[in-house]
Amino acid sequence: EAQVTQNPRYLITVTGKKLTVTCSQNMNHEYMSWYRQDPGLGLRQIYYSMNVEVTDKGDVPEGYKVSRKEKRNFPLILESPSPNQTSLYFCASSAGRPLWGNSPLHFGNGTRLTVT
Amino acid sequence: AQSVTQLDSHVSVSEGTPVLLRCNYSSSYSPSLFWYVQHPNKGLQLLLKYTSAATLVKGINGFEAEFKKSETSFHLTKPSAHMSDAAEYFCVVTPYTGTASKLTFGTGTRLQVTL
Repeated sequence: EAQVTQNPRYLITVTGKKLTVTCSQNMNHEYMSWYRQDPGLGLRQIYYSMNVEVTDKGDVPEGYKVSRKEKRNFPLILESPSPNQTSLYFCASSAGRPLWGNSPLHFGNGTRLTVT
Repeated sequence: AQSVTQLDSHVSVSEGTPVLLRCNYSSSYSPSLFWYVQHPNKGLQLLLKYTSAATLVKGINGFEAEFKKSETSFHLTKPSAHMSDAAEYFCVVTPYTGTASKLTFGTGTRLQVTL
């Protein structure tokens, strides 16, 4: 089954303790992206990757890191989490080029992160 | 530059009555437009897409949307609501051409369906 898998689904941590949220897709998609979803703000893009070893900042990259060493994986790293990073996070992938209309995003089921 | 505005944060309809979720956009380029649906505790799922072909677009589960360039709108409609339609809906815009990587999401409209 074609899918985007995020882990964990729920995560509670304390300020400053490094964490990684994993994302993996089995569709051989080139494009992958991370979003955070906050009430009243919709989804905001954190980082995206057009292909292996190619990553770029989205709208809200501060406090986050990503890497794309393999095509299927795109982990999100919080080196020193803070309470304002408490949010619902989504990973998504897409065949992605060149026309978005023919390659929509496939989303994971989300990771709910709480930083105390 | 691009932006999308969902005009209602919350819409409530009775089962069997029509649904209208409103979306206005702005884009410096010819846009691609999408509607995604999010059910509780789930990721987003594509409902339908507009990519410069027919202006009336049909999607899954009986939803459709009409692209109106003169009004910069892409409203989502369904003739008859079902209880299973209760979810949050997002309008999304991106430039149609090139290796576009930036999608802009609306803030979402929560659809409530009552008996």
